[in-house]
Amino acid sequence: AQSVTQLGSHVSVSEGALVLLRCNYSSSVPPYLFWYVQYPNQGLQLLLKYTTGATLVKGINGFEAEFKKSETSFHLTKPSAHMSDAAEYFCAVRIGGAQKLVFGQGTRLTINP
Amino acid sequence: NAGVTQTPKFQVLKTGQSMTLQCAQDMNHNSMYWYRQDPGMGLRLIYYSASEGTTDKGEVPNGYNVSRLNKREFSLRLESAAPSQTSVYFCASSYTPAGATEAFFGQGTRLTVV
Repeated sequence: AQSVTQLGSHVSVSEGALVLLRCNYSSSVPPYLFWYVQYPNQGLQLLLKYTTGATLVKGINGFEAEFKKSETSFHLTKPSAHMSDAAEYFCAVRIGGAQKLVFGQGTRLTINP
Repeated sequence: NAGVTQTPKFQVLKTGQSMTLQCAQDMNHNSMYWYRQDPGMGLRLIYYSASEGTTDKGEVPNGYNVSRLNKREFSLRLESAAPSQTSVYFCASSYTPAGATEAFFGQGTRLTVV
């Protein structure tokens, strides 16, 4: 069964610092990978997705993620955190022809002034 | 564009009551999903409909039923609500059920069962 694990349920960084949110998946075949963001009392919004091809994927709001097959990882980064980045972030995976999008547990990002 | 619309946004039920959560999308998507979100557990799939006329169980289907009324609408019914069903419920849709297609989410329904 496909699964996805997000390391760290809560990450806190200072404004202007690097943001790194970790996501690992388990699959024997290349997956489709997604990062979503959820602002308070809102639904989920797609940040970026990996399909095939380039392993470094750029998304909205300055975020990017790198697919590393050897490490089965798809970590989300942003060079300089803004206060507006405070939200919960979810990694999700779909394996091949599977009809289900499976989500990780989520990571709450806090930005300190 | 409305996208995915869920009603109601908030609901309080007593144990044993029933209710239906409504979801409609205007993006001509083929697939629709119901998830529940609980603290520390991410989003868990309750039921999904890969295409009009089909429905399948997800990870946590017990206590729920669904109806794909037409291509636009996908409802979730709680026949006899229990406190364990207190959660935030999200409806989502995607153009296809597989591959690299992302899901689009509604704003959620916050349900409390007392």
